Amino acid sequence: DTAVSQTPKYLVTQMGNDKSIKCEQNLGHDTMYWYKQDSKKFLKIMFSYNNKELIINETVPNRFSPKSPDKAHLNLHINSLELGDSAVYFCASSQDPVDTQYQETQYFGPGTRLLVL
Amino acid sequence: AQKVTQAQTEISVVEKEDVTLDCVYETRDTTYYLFWYKQPPSGELVFLIRRNSFDEQNEISGRYSWNFQKSTSSFNFTITASQVVDSAVYFCALSEAKAAGNKLTFGGGTRVLVKP
Repeated sequence: DTAVSQTPKYLVTQMGNDKSIKCEQNLGHDTMYWYKQDSKKFLKIMFSYNNKELIINETVPNRFSPKSPDKAHLNLHINSLELGDSAVYFCASSQDPVDTQYQETQYFGPGTRLLVL
Repeated sequence: AQKVTQAQTEISVVEKEDVTLDCVYETRDTTYYLFWYKQPPSGELVFLIRRNSFDEQNEISGRYSWNFQKSTSSFNFTITASQVVDSAVYFCALSEAKAAGNKLTFGGGTRVLVKP
């Protein structure tokens, strides 16, 4: 009964390859996110989808493309992987707030550790 | 722009000592939310607390307590009588209040090492 799950947990690949990371949440949340945690543990938002629509797109290379087939899933596809893409990628989800003065908690998946060689 | 600063990169204590983690934030919003997350050695991010900008009451949950001071833009976290299982990286985060899907702005994290 995992709330937010990601696959795979570990991903080791060669430079130039294309890879995907999948995320699923069974919490019934409306919004999903991708965050990147670099080697110094710094966490930064990449994308956010609300009911399958892209609502946050931070300064991320075009090689990264999120896809949300339904509101329970948010996948991340990365083209032409580079050494600098090595990081831990976290998926998260949250419920829509009841009004604009409120903010719900984001719950995170276990992370996907990507190593590009 | 929002910013969160955790000035302490690493704190080392002996079991049963108290440890306080500092968090200072910057935002132009009048309504915002503050969070603390724990990242144990296993790597997952565990939610600990959410506090909105209108609620300055301190909170205690077991051995954890939080001190929110709007006047100094700080949201500090204290672990009382630390245990080895408290060893982790702790992140403070800030989010403005608006419609769905707002981002969390994280501090750099404080690594806490509790020695037996």
